[in-house]
Amino acid sequence: DIQMTQSPSSLSASVGDRVTITCRASQGIRNDLGWYQQKPGKAPKRLIYDASSLQSGVPSRFSGSGSGTEFTLTISSLQPEDFATYYCLQDNTYPRTFGQGTKVEIK
Amino acid sequence: EVQLVESGGDLVQPGGSLRLSCAASGFTFSNYYMSWVRQAPGKGLEWVANIKQDGSESRYVDSVKGRFTISRDNTKDSLYLQMTSLRAEDTAVYYCVRGGGLGDYWGQGTLVTVSS
Repeated sequence: DIQMTQSPSSLSASVGDRVTITCRASQGIRNDLGWYQQKPGKAPKRLIYDASSLQSGVPSRFSGSGSGTEFTLTISSLQPEDFATYYCLQDNTYPRTFGQGTKVEIK
Repeated sequence: EVQLVESGGDLVQPGGSLRLSCAASGFTFSNYYMSWVRQAPGKGLEWVANIKQDGSESRYVDSVKGRFTISRDNTKDSLYLQMTSLRAEDTAVYYCVRGGGLGDYWGQGTLVTVSS
C-alpha cells in the first residue's frame, strides 16, 4: 500500500498567516492527489484535485502543488473559517490511502 | 443539487451484520464510480471500497475483504454496503462518496457501532 505522510500533524496559526501543509507519498503517484478539509461533526469537503486543480466554489487562497512523491497545500491568508483538519488522499493505486491529517488551530 | 443520504447505521454485536444504504439525487448516478469511506471516532479517514458505474468491478481495502460487499442499483440511484462478521474496529461513521477516488461530494455519514 502507498503510505501518505502528512506534516505537521498539527499547527497553530493566526488569522492572516500563510500556512503550508506537506504530504509525502511512499512511491510516485504522478499528480493523483487531492486535499480535503473537515470541520468537527461534518463530512470532508474537497478543496483540491489532481494535485493543483481548485474545486469549484473553493476560495482562491487555497492552492495545491507537487507531483510524484511530494505535495503541498497552501493557504495564503488564513481565515477564521479555515480552522479545521486537512487530509490528503491518493487515488493512483489501490487501496486509496489518506494522510493522517493536519489539525490547524487558532494561535 | 447533488445529495447523498446514508442510512442503516446502528448498534450491532460483534460478529453481526448490517446493510448501509446511500440514496443519491441531483446527478446521473449511473455515470459515476461510487465509494464508501469511514472514520473511526476521533480518528482519520479510511477508504473502504468503490464500485464501477455499471457495478461490474469493485475494490476493497484489505481489512474488509471477504466481509464487506459494495453494490449499487442504478434503477434506484442507490449505493449499498453489506457488512458481515463485524468487529469492534469497524466502529465508525461511514460516508457515501461520489467518485472512485478523489470524491467530490460526500454524504453526512451514518454511524455504525460494533459492541456487545
